Amino acid sequence: KQEVTQIPAALSVPEGENLVLNCSFTDSAIYNLQWFRQDPGKGLTSLLLIQSSQREQTSGRLNASLDKSSGRSTLYIAASQPGDSATYLCSGAGSYQLTFGKGTKLSVIP
Amino acid sequence: NAGVTQTPKFRVLKTGQSMTLLCAQDMNHEYMYWYRQDPGMGLRLIHYSVGEGTTAKGEVPDGYNVSRLKKQNFLLGLESAAPSQTSVYFCASSYPLFSGQGFFGANVLTFGAGSRLTVL
Repeated sequence: KQEVTQIPAALSVPEGENLVLNCSFTDSAIYNLQWFRQDPGKGLTSLLLIQSSQREQTSGRLNASLDKSSGRSTLYIAASQPGDSATYLCSGAGSYQLTFGKGTKLSVIP
Repeated sequence: NAGVTQTPKFRVLKTGQSMTLLCAQDMNHEYMYWYRQDPGMGLRLIHYSVGEGTTAKGEVPDGYNVSRLKKQNFLLGLESAAPSQTSVYFCASSYPLFSGQGFFGANVLTFGAGSRLTVL
């Protein structure tokens, strides 16, 4: 059974700082790794998807990496902004379904 | 495009009552999912479907039933609601991800806005 862990559970940083969110998974036989953002009271919004054959993906100030051999993924956010404040979730994808971590709640302080 | 639409958005039930949550997607996605989200527990998969007429159990299927009679709709039923089913329910849809190197699981999931259910 796939288990996904995200550390830390919460993170507070000053505006402008670069930061890294961590995700680890127990079953390296994932098909892809997805990162999502969730704002309070809202659904999830997809940020990045990394196929199992890829090492990283980038979108704007976001960069996600995947190391299947160690069971780890990181989400790097450059030059953080208050609008980045949200909960970030990662998920490991089996053939059809995704298993989610509990998320990291990020607060960016102006 | 509406994307994924969930109805109702809020509902209060008494223990033992039944209800159905409806999820509709207009993206012609093959895969559909029902998750529940609880504080401290994260998102947990209840049931999923990989195509019209097919359903499968996820991590926490007990107390729920599902049906996918039409490709665009995925229904989640609670036959006899219990307080432990108080939660926020999310529906999502996706499709198979293929690239030059083969199959890579479900593509990016599109989520609905959620349905908040309270069972008294």
